[in-house]
Amino acid sequence: QQPVQSPQAVILREGEDAVINCSSSKALYSVHWYRQKHGEAPVFLMILLKGGEQKGHEKISASFNEKKQQSSLYLTASQLSYSGTYFCGTGIQGAQKLVFGQGTRLTINP
Amino acid sequence: DSGVTQTPKHLITATGQRVTLRCSPRSGDLSVYWYQQSLDQGLQFLIQYYNGEERAKGNILERFSAQQFPDLHSELNLSSLELGDSALYFCASSVASGSTGELFFGEGSRLTVL
Repeated sequence: QQPVQSPQAVILREGEDAVINCSSSKALYSVHWYRQKHGEAPVFLMILLKGGEQKGHEKISASFNEKKQQSSLYLTASQLSYSGTYFCGTGIQGAQKLVFGQGTRLTINP
Repeated sequence: DSGVTQTPKHLITATGQRVTLRCSPRSGDLSVYWYQQSLDQGLQFLIQYYNGEERAKGNILERFSAQQFPDLHSELNLSSLELGDSALYFCASSVASGSTGELFFGEGSRLTVL
């Protein structure tokens, strides 16, 4: 039931774009995205709900393909502050829990 | 500051012992989630409570138990500790009962079992 994230790790130079994917074998009702910096707690980025619109703020946006049970996180013109591990969390309709993927480690170099 | 308070921040104990981790959710949040994060690993869902009631269970060992009290704070009890229980334990709170609300994470309780 745990969603699968890809890639597991990515290294970019500042200003480059990145896409992180999250897929599930279950029909999804919600997808969350969080970023965790080393030694810190995960921080909420955005949530996408079934039937909802694509979300985004600043240079980070996400999409949710309900038919394919997939979500993608887009980071445009990456900044050094974007470095960290990104987790997607998925919710299934009728189930209360939020299950996270294994994470994608993003490293942004100057 | 997420508004979620976890204590203790660090805990070192021996195998076979029992510990209790405490979590105070954000004001107004009724849901509390517990996650376990082993070294450089993902967030493993343990259990969720909403307004005092257990709502969902994940891969929580029988040696572990939790509860949410009337004042909404929650405690995670870990007993007969093993070396493999060493991890960072996060509590998160949300205003929603399901997976539709943003989760606010505490800073975590780092447990080391020697």
